[in-house]
Amino acid sequence: NAGVTQTPKFQVLKTGQSMTLQCAQDMNHNSMYWYRQDPGMGLRLIYYSASEGTTDKGEVPNGYNVSRLNKREFSLRLESAAPSQTSVYFCASSEAAGAKGYTFGSGTRLTVV
Amino acid sequence: AQSVTQPDIHITVSEGASLELRCNYSYGATPYLFWYVQSPGQGLQLLLKYFSGDTLVQGIKGFEAEFKRSQSSFNLRKPSVHWSDAAEYFCAVGPPNSGTYKYIFGTGTRLKVLA
Repeated sequence: NAGVTQTPKFQVLKTGQSMTLQCAQDMNHNSMYWYRQDPGMGLRLIYYSASEGTTDKGEVPNGYNVSRLNKREFSLRLESAAPSQTSVYFCASSEAAGAKGYTFGSGTRLTVV
Repeated sequence: AQSVTQPDIHITVSEGASLELRCNYSYGATPYLFWYVQSPGQGLQLLLKYFSGDTLVQGIKGFEAEFKRSQSSFNLRKPSVHWSDAAEYFCAVGPPNSGTYKYIFGTGTRLKVLA
């Protein structure tokens, strides 16, 4: 049982380049989330998908787009990367309403130069 | 405004000593409360959670946490720390039964364990 799988694990982008971070879960969870983690700021929610077919903005959505491709997969896209988007990105999933907590992926470390 | 505060950025304890990590929250109602642990280069792992009922909850790896409504706190404790407990710990709060799923995370407390 793999849980939540994120790809890639590391990525370096030049300013203005685009990329998609992939996330897949095999726990049949309804809800999925994208967070970014920056030193001293904890985790901040970028976007979330409460259920298949729905997506909503979180605390810091600017510069990002998401797609809930199916129940398993939730991708995060950076259309034009900026140095301010240098961060560690975590995908997470939960059962409906997240009452049992999140299951996190191992993260993607993104550097924008 | 809803918020979570972890007042201690860094804590250093000796192996075998007791540990308490503080978490205070500001929320309109009693939220769901969680503690997560993050080892270097890894994702976050759920240690324990509180929804209702007994205010002392047990988690994995020998951790426990106590919910104190009057103090809006949910402090994490361990009686005897092991070197493998060195990690970063995050407190999180979430809305109870609201239909939204957004948790608020604290900024984390990094634990160092001395041999």
